[in-house]
Amino acid sequence: DAMVIQNPRYQVTQFGKPVTLSCSQTLNHNVMYWYQQKSSQAPKLLFHYYDKDFNNEADTPDNFQSRRPNTSFCFLDIRSPGLGDAAMYLCATSRVASGSTDTQYFGPGTRLTVL
Amino acid sequence: GDSVTQMEGPVTLSEEAFLTINCTYTATGYPSLFWYVQYPGEGLQLLLKATKADDKGSNKGFEATYRKETTSFHLEKGSVQVSDSAVYFCALSGTASKLTFGTGTRLQVTL
Repeated sequence: DAMVIQNPRYQVTQFGKPVTLSCSQTLNHNVMYWYQQKSSQAPKLLFHYYDKDFNNEADTPDNFQSRRPNTSFCFLDIRSPGLGDAAMYLCATSRVASGSTDTQYFGPGTRLTVL
Repeated sequence: GDSVTQMEGPVTLSEEAFLTINCTYTATGYPSLFWYVQYPGEGLQLLLKATKADDKGSNKGFEATYRKETTSFHLEKGSVQVSDSAVYFCALSGTASKLTFGTGTRLQVTL
């Protein structure tokens, strides 16, 4: 089935140790998003790619970076994780960012623990 | 800017009870409206959507009608089941397909 896949589902890292989360999609969608969701809160958009064009949200910390080497894959890099970065990280895709009717499809998320 | 307000939870219901989760929005233009559901430890799943005024989205017994005059998109289900226990997010998509989420409403259904 076409879907959004995130690996790993659970990631443990140490304070300050770089970590990379991955997302892949078989939907062939142009747009890929990364969200951060802390406990009992709504997802917060960090950035998104429209094809190869990177769009960063104004309040996303510099500690968070992203790479999209091809249509199918997108990575979230956290350069120096702090305790406050512990959260669920959600990847989503949409077909085209051409208007408001596009639906975003979410992966299962990666839960990041920082020790 | 765009915003979504939904009723605070948790909402606790007995099985087969009627469910309403209120959602109102503020947006410029003509947004699309969505309900997403999140089961414990999982990502978000699209439950239903409506793209224009008076549209009704429906799925798995859940319904919501896009009411432009009251800027609302309330979620309803006639008879909830224990398996419906989850967190429900109302969201809108305005320009550039960015989603603005409400804070989520936790539903707990008991036998």
